[in-house]
Amino acid sequence: GAVVSQHPSRVICKSGTSVKIECRSLDFQATTMFWYRQFPKKSLMLMATSNEGSKATYEQGVEKDKFLINHASLTLSTLTVTSAHPEDSSFYICSARDNPSSGANVLTFGAGSRLTVL
Amino acid sequence: QKEVEQDPGPLSVPEGAIVSLNCTYSNSAFQYFMWYRQYSRKGPELLMYTYSSGNKEDGRFTAQVDKSSKYISLFIRDSQPSDSATYLCAMSLTGFQKLVFGTGTRLLVSP
Repeated sequence: GAVVSQHPSRVICKSGTSVKIECRSLDFQATTMFWYRQFPKKSLMLMATSNEGSKATYEQGVEKDKFLINHASLTLSTLTVTSAHPEDSSFYICSARDNPSSGANVLTFGAGSRLTVL
Repeated sequence: QKEVEQDPGPLSVPEGAIVSLNCTYSNSAFQYFMWYRQYSRKGPELLMYTYSSGNKEDGRFTAQVDKSSKYISLFIRDSQPSDSATYLCAMSLTGFQKLVFGTGTRLLVSP
């Protein structure tokens, strides 16, 4: 089945530094990837839609200068949290749309990246 | 009011029990309904999805959608300890994009 790899799985950084999270589709090409954020005991919240070769589309309330998204190839999207602060500590999950033999476009999620900002 | 409401649990059941997980929603325009399973510190894994109203069965899992009541359910028959996880409902207007998730229900199946 489709596999989405996310790296790093855990990262701890100091306040004020930037952190980059990678999301790769391993066995399929993904023109569209999605970035979600999940707080403990809360829903996954869509942050932005990443489109290969064009600018990402951000959801209302998400700072585009804070969360930089780059989708440079059909298999890689990156999320950079710039000038991270403790309130940015969260679980970030990416997902990509696959089109398996069933013909249905389904979303496959990565394993997530837990960011802790000290 | 949240777009999607889901009881966070935890829901504790003995092995072999029938489990019923539910979500309600407010946006009548939702057309696609999904159930994801998420183990601790992992990403969500798609269990089932349905389009519009009706039932769908896959092994021990049955998904039901009642659009008139804005209510969806996931039933798990013969529950196993390995089913212990958080179950998230999700829905969208147009297929697998811009999913709106519930908070997830934590299920604990004891041997």
